[in-house]
Amino acid sequence: DQQVKQNSPSLSVQEGRISILNCDYTNSMFDYFLWYKKYPAEGPTFLISISSIKDKNEDGRFTVFLNKSAKHLSLHIVPSQPGDSAVYFCAARSPEGTYKYIFGTGTRLKVLA
Amino acid sequence: ETGVTQSPTHLIKTRGQQVTLRCSSQSGHNTVSWYQQALGQGPQFIFQYYREEENGRGNFPPRFSGLQFPNYSSELNVNALELDDSALYLCASSSHLGYEQYFGPGTRLTVT
Repeated sequence: DQQVKQNSPSLSVQEGRISILNCDYTNSMFDYFLWYKKYPAEGPTFLISISSIKDKNEDGRFTVFLNKSAKHLSLHIVPSQPGDSAVYFCAARSPEGTYKYIFGTGTRLKVLA
Repeated sequence: ETGVTQSPTHLIKTRGQQVTLRCSSQSGHNTVSWYQQALGQGPQFIFQYYREEENGRGNFPPRFSGLQFPNYSSELNVNALELDDSALYLCASSSHLGYEQYFGPGTRLTVT
């Protein structure tokens, strides 16, 4: 039962353009959603988060949008840079019982120079 | 400020053996979570430790166990290793109610 899904395994975008990474979830009890970036041979690095009571959060070039009715969130990167090339994971925090985090399977972003 | 560190970096074990992986949390963080990341998958939550006690567990069998020490560092122990245990094991630290987790570089375990 995959509660957090990233249906696009990979995405290629031209430098300077917008990258849009998508994530769907099934559990309406999730209270926080997070995006992580992962380079090879490194652990995931926290990028940006959004509370379930918000619909948008922005940090520099990164914006996360949350559509609760559709149980969908997206990460927008604009403008995209070659250094953004990495695997991006969407994660959701479940407050049921004790906090735990459910990760998606990741989307590999390649930004072409 | 010291980040999350894990040891060893790589490990090769034989099926049936036992393994211990170690993690030092980021300074100021009292909660440690362990994840298993199989190839091509996202990290899967194993368990979380807070105040030296298990504070939540994912769908992993009891042969996966852990410890947290007074300095908040942690160990993950896996008994009776199976081939499917081959994966990257990630440790993440956070404050108890904080939602941001800071990950270490991981330990790559290969079971042959």
